[in-house]
Parts: sequence; structure tokens; C-alpha cells
Amino acid sequence: GENVEQHPSTLSVQEGDSAVIKCTYSDSASNYFPWYKQELGKRPQLIIDIRSNVGEKKDQRIAVTLNKTAKHFSLHITETQPEDSAVYFCAAIGGSYIPTFGRGTSLIVHP
Amino acid sequence: ETGVTQSPTHLIKTRGQQVTLRCSSQSGHNTVSWYQQALGQGPQFIFQYYREEENGRGNFPPRFSGLQFPNYSSELNVNALELDDSALYLCATRAGGDEQYFGPGTRLTVT
Repeated sequence: GENVEQHPSTLSVQEGDSAVIKCTYSDSASNYFPWYKQELGKRPQLIIDIRSNVGEKKDQRIAVTLNKTAKHFSLHITETQPEDSAVYFCAAIGGSYIPTFGRGTSLIVHP
Repeated sequence: ETGVTQSPTHLIKTRGQQVTLRCSSQSGHNTVSWYQQALGQGPQFIFQYYREEENGRGNFPPRFSGLQFPNYSSELNVNALELDDSALYLCATRAGGDEQYFGPGTRLTVT
């Protein structure tokens, strides 16, 4: 089955810095890669996603890049703010829509 | 916030007991997935229902079972509870596309 590795497990940055979270996947049939933000005690919320026919997607301060050959994708957050502090999860999903999630990255943005 | 709701919010059960968790779907969403999220981990896919039929299952034993009703609401049943079943249980619904919407979760504690 699919295996998703996510790094780092914890990321601490100063407000205004950029943050990058990386994920690798094993199943070349995976074709949909969402990123979720989960604040403490709340539900995961989709923040951005990318499909396998696209290499990069941007939404304001958030961007995702996908390298299908290397089987890795990354989340980029620019100009971080304290409210960006949360746990971020990547996921890889194939044609059968059985999602495999990474273990999560705890992002801490210091004011 | 999404229109996906779950009940109950919290639940405490004893080892060996059975539990039923409920999820109401966002309007028009005919597919529901259930996830188990242990503390500090990413969500793990349990199974998925589409129009009342299970059409995908993760690596969970048969004591985890489910139902989807004609109105697309759903139940997760867990028999013979074990201590390791303590987790946040999330449901997520979608309308046939890739984007899924999570409910707030049910926190299950098994003692």
C-alpha cells in the first residue's frame, strides 16, 4: 500500500519567515495531494491541494509543489503569522480514493 | 465551518464494550469516509461508503464496521473495544470530487 513520509515533525519559525514542509509518497498511482491544517481540538481543514497533472499551485501566502518523478510534494507558507501555528498534514490519494496521511508537522510561529 | 456533524462529542467506554458513532453528511455529499486519529498522529483511513455500499477499507479488523443510510448519514460501530481504540474518530464527506470535508470528531476513551 501507499506510504507517506512527512518532515519535519516540528518546525519553529519567527513571524514573517517562510516555512516549508515536505512529504514523499511511494505509490506512483497516487494522483491527488491535499494539505490540511488542524488547530488544537478542531477538525482538519483543507488549505490547498494539487493534482498530478500540475507542478505547482499557489493561493495567497500558501503554495504547493509536486515532483512526480521524485514522488515528493511540499507545502510553502510565506510571511508566516502566529495564526498559522497548527499541525499540518499531507495526504496522498490514488484512483480508489483511499487516503494515506503523513504523521503531521507541528508549526510554531513565534511573534 | 462545514455542514458535517458528529455525535457524540466525547465518549468513555470500558474495554470489551461496543460503541456506535454517528456522522451526518453535508447536503449532497454521497460519500463518507471514517478515520481514526491517535494522539500525535495523522488520520488513518478505516473505510469508505458510497451510496450505502462499502467501497474501500483500510487496515482495520472486522470489529470495525459501518453503515450508510439513504440520507447519506453514517455510523461507525466498534465491537470488543480495546485500550488502543482510544482516539479521535473523524468522518469526512464528499460529493464525488476529490475534496472532502471533515466533521469535528468524536473523542473515544477506552478504560
